[in-house]
Amino acid sequence: GENVEQHPSTLSVQEGDSAVIKCTYSDSASNYFPWYKQELGKRPQLIIDIRSNVGEKKDQRIAVTLNKTAKHFSLHITETQPEDSAVYFCAASKTGTASKLTFGTGTRLQVTL
Amino acid sequence: DADVTQTPRNRITKTGKRIMLECSQTKGHDRMYWYRQDPGLGLRLIYYSFDVKDINKGEISDGYSVSRQAQAKFSLSLESAIPNQTALYFCATRDRTLEQFFGPGTRLTVL
Repeated sequence: GENVEQHPSTLSVQEGDSAVIKCTYSDSASNYFPWYKQELGKRPQLIIDIRSNVGEKKDQRIAVTLNKTAKHFSLHITETQPEDSAVYFCAASKTGTASKLTFGTGTRLQVTL
Repeated sequence: DADVTQTPRNRITKTGKRIMLECSQTKGHDRMYWYRQDPGLGLRLIYYSFDVKDINKGEISDGYSVSRQAQAKFSLSLESAIPNQTALYFCATRDRTLEQFFGPGTRLTVL
């Protein structure tokens, strides 16, 4: 089955700096890669996703890049703000009707003032 | 707003007890999932269901069972709870765009 590794497990940045979280996956058939944000005491929520037919996707201050050859994808957050502090999970799956997500182990991002 | 709800939100039980966690959704999604979250281990899939007649084991199904009573309801049972099942449990649904919508979670403590 699919295996997703995520690094780093914790990340501390100063407000205004950029943050990068990296994930690798094992199943070359995976073609859907979402990122979920979980604020303290809250449920995970989708913030951005990418499919294998594109290499990069942006939404305001967040972007995701995908390298299918190397089987890795990354989340980039620019101009970080205190409200970006949360746990971020990457995931991977195929897009068929029987698909299921395999999640990474999470990255705790702390944005300091 | 259409939502995913879980009951109870917190539960403390003793080793050997049977416990049921319930999930309901008003999103009209066919696909429903149960995950377990442990610090440093991320979200691990316990069971998933694509419709009322379809139940599938996830990566950590041992010690758990599920019931899909209707399209909107998916329950997770621990037949004989043990301390290492202490965790945060999330139910989720999935729409056609592949986005998963999580419930608020149930914090379970097994003493």
